[in-house]
Amino acid sequence: DIQMTQSPSSLSASVGDRVTITCRASQSISSYLNWYQQKPGKAPKLLIYAASSLQSGVPSRFSGSGSETDFTLTISSLQPEDFATYYCQQSYSTPITFGQGTRLEIK
Amino acid sequence: QVQLVESGGGLVKPGGSLRLSCAASGFTFSDYYMNWIRQTPGRGLEWVSYIGSSGTTMYYADSVKGRFTISRDNAKNSLFLQMNSLRAEDTAVYYCARNIVDYFDYWGQGTLVTVSS
Repeated sequence: DIQMTQSPSSLSASVGDRVTITCRASQSISSYLNWYQQKPGKAPKLLIYAASSLQSGVPSRFSGSGSETDFTLTISSLQPEDFATYYCQQSYSTPITFGQGTRLEIK
Repeated sequence: QVQLVESGGGLVKPGGSLRLSCAASGFTFSDYYMNWIRQTPGRGLEWVSYIGSSGTTMYYADSVKGRFTISRDNAKNSLFLQMNSLRAEDTAVYYCARNIVDYFDYWGQGTLVTVSS
């Protein structure tokens, strides 16, 4: 199975900050990497697919980059509604696997 | 708009069975692959099972293979997960999720399954 490791596990930041979350795959996954946002009590919501493509309706302050084994999710200017947990997910091979999550908290 | 609504969760004893359902609306269900994904505080998000659009191709996580069966009824826009021989470690919120290309673009709200004596 492909292991997905996110860093940091948690992060404190302020409104307006630029934030970067990293996801590393245990083997090359090309660009088969997706990012989700989850708020408490809610289902995950797709933000970025294929490493860098913005899902329809997602604000442009969210961006993704990377390939092979190293990927990043960047929020250019944090808004109050962005405080949530973020997950990466690989779709290169079955079983599909997720990172452990990065909890983004208000400083 | 796209809606996925899970049902069928609840409390079941170890070794018991449960059948989850997911009612889909707002899109042509028969055109899409579907999945079950579960989440626990300890293990995070775990993909459980996939079914192709026609229902003839299925995949399972090793942790549920031989115990869980995914199926669908395209005429009724419904997805199912039959869970047998349940274990404590199957306790989780179970989500159904629509698969488009290589990602999950819509998720249901989840249904809680608790396996406990």
